[in-house]
Amino acid sequence: GIQVEQSPPDLILQEGANSTLRCNFSDSVNNLQWFHQNPWGQLINLFYIPSGTKQNGRLSATTVATERYSLLYISSSQTTDSGVYFCAVGDRGSTLGRLYFGRGTQLTVWP
Amino acid sequence: GAGVSQSPSNKVTEKGKDVELRCDPISGHTALYWYRQSLGQGLEFLIYFQGNSAPDKSGLPSDRFSAERTGGSVSTLTIQRTQQEDSAVYLCASSSSVGEQFFGPGTRLTVL
Repeated sequence: GIQVEQSPPDLILQEGANSTLRCNFSDSVNNLQWFHQNPWGQLINLFYIPSGTKQNGRLSATTVATERYSLLYISSSQTTDSGVYFCAVGDRGSTLGRLYFGRGTQLTVWP
Repeated sequence: GAGVSQSPSNKVTEKGKDVELRCDPISGHTALYWYRQSLGQGLEFLIYFQGNSAPDKSGLPSDRFSAERTGGSVSTLTIQRTQQEDSAVYLCASSSSVGEQFFGPGTRLTVL
């Protein structure tokens, strides 16, 4: 299966700081998603981004499929951004099928 | 419905008992997935349904685990003769043909 590596594993920030989370994957993909898992365990969709760049408010993401990595940018972080951020990818064969998850980045934002 | 729903939200059972977990996908989504999340293993894939068929069940950890989907909608994950290592949060997701997966809130299973 596809290997997914996320870095850093832990990140501690003060409110207002910016951060970059990285996701490396071992093979070509047809699906790449970023999720935020809130303290109640719910996985919240941030981006569906198999290639290119997207922005949503203070968050943006870029996937360079040819180089097998994706970046998630968080600007002006807030305490509510705390939680675990997961990157997940799907096989190149289809847009459907299982996702392979990284181990996540645990983000803590202090006021 | 508006989102993926799962029931029960919490389940505590005794070792050796059978349990059934239910998932209601987003209306119109043809693909449905089961994953589980445990402290030591992260997020693991279990099984994928397209319609009522399961083209990928490679993640089911043993023959004690089974799943079915009826009417192209609701799915049930059954664990027979539960073991303590089955304790985890079981997550269901669904997607349209576009492929973006949306997750439910999960069922927390505790096996005593």
